[in-house]
Amino acid sequence: AQSVTQLGSHVSVSEGALVLLRCNYSSSVPPYLFWYVQYPNQGLQLLLKYTTGATLVKGINGFEAEFKKSETSFHLTKPSAHMSDAAEYFCAVSGPNSGYALNFGKGTSLLVTP
Amino acid sequence: DTAVSQTPKYLVTQMGNDKSIKCEQNLGHDTMYWYKQDSKKFLKIMFSYNNKELIINETVPNRFSPKSPDKAHLNLHINSLELGDSAVYFCASSRGGQGVTGELFFGEGSRLTVL
Repeated sequence: AQSVTQLGSHVSVSEGALVLLRCNYSSSVPPYLFWYVQYPNQGLQLLLKYTTGATLVKGINGFEAEFKKSETSFHLTKPSAHMSDAAEYFCAVSGPNSGYALNFGKGTSLLVTP
Repeated sequence: DTAVSQTPKYLVTQMGNDKSIKCEQNLGHDTMYWYKQDSKKFLKIMFSYNNKELIINETVPNRFSPKSPDKAHLNLHINSLELGDSAVYFCASSRGGQGVTGELFFGEGSRLTVL
């Protein structure tokens, strides 16, 4: 079975500071990894994904993540937080063994303070 | 044009009632899903259909029955609603087959409140 663990259910950063949201995965096959963002009362929007190829992937809104097989990690970063980044962030994993259904982590709520 | 649309967006009902949530996607995708998001924001897969065929059926009470009349629609019917069914239900779709990228496209959710 494939799963992800997000470390920290709440993360608070100051505006302009580095954002780091942690995600570790467990998978017996090469995983597909994703970060989604959910703004209040909205659906989920894809930030970025890793399937194959380059391990550093860039997404929308200045976010990026690096797939590290040796550490089974896929942490999300952004150099400088904006107030508009405040949202719930979900790491997810999928693959052929799961019929490509996403298995989500429990989410990390990002708070950005002025 | 909304890619994945769900109706209704809000649903308030009494325990014991039967209700349905409809989902339609205009992306030409082969696979559709239902996810449940609980009060702690945890998202869990419920069902997945590929070309109208059920391919994932997680441990969900049989009061929940998905119906896919065609590959663009996946509806969720819930019988004998219970308090614990209160949640936000998300429909999603993705490309299947050789075009699979793994990315799911989500609707805006249907918030179900059972009183």
